[in-house]
Amino acid sequence: SYVLTQPPSVSVAPGQTAKITCGGNNIGSKNVHWYQKKPGQAPVLVVYDDSDRPSGIPERFSGSSSGNTATLTISRVEAGDEADYYCQVWDSSSDYVFGTGTKVTVL
Amino acid sequence: EVQLVESGGGLVKPGGSLRLSCAASGVTFTNTWMSWVRQAPGKGLEWVGRIRSKIDGGTTDFAAPVKGRFTISRDDSKNTMYLQMNSLKTEDTAVYYCTTDGYSIAAVLDYWGRGTLVTVAS
Repeated sequence: SYVLTQPPSVSVAPGQTAKITCGGNNIGSKNVHWYQKKPGQAPVLVVYDDSDRPSGIPERFSGSSSGNTATLTISRVEAGDEADYYCQVWDSSSDYVFGTGTKVTVL
Repeated sequence: EVQLVESGGGLVKPGGSLRLSCAASGVTFTNTWMSWVRQAPGKGLEWVGRIRSKIDGGTTDFAAPVKGRFTISRDDSKNTMYLQMNSLKTEDTAVYYCTTDGYSIAAVLDYWGRGTLVTVAS
């Protein structure tokens, strides 16, 4: 089965940049999507197809993917960005696969 | 505005059954593929299964941990999807979310409900 690995946590000061990685075998050949999950709330899609943003998502959220690593970047971090973030891909053997999740803490 | 509302969660004993519902609005439900995703306490997101639109065959796919125990159905006249869960195990305890599957963006879980909690315990 296909596995996506994320760091358990990332800490960042307000106004700084947070980078969340998602590692998977040849992930650069797949479309990577990112979801934001706050406690008690529904997950929200923040980046799709590696680097596109759904309408309503701030430009501060961006993504990239190459080789074995995809990255979600949150620029000018705000307190409201504190959440868990999950990467996700579709794999022919595993169907939809989510990463292990990263807790972003705003200091 | 797309709205998905799950219901039917609760406490059930191991080996028991439960049926969840997901009522959709703001989407052309007949043409929409739908999925279920769950999150166990303190754990990450896990895709459970999907149902295609009837025009695409209405077929279902499931993740390995639930295959053979869970089924998904839909009633397009009610804009509602169902998750029938049988032979429940303690490890099925989770918040269950329904999602659209590629509604506005291909192969993406683009809209989500707020979830319903299923607790499997004796």
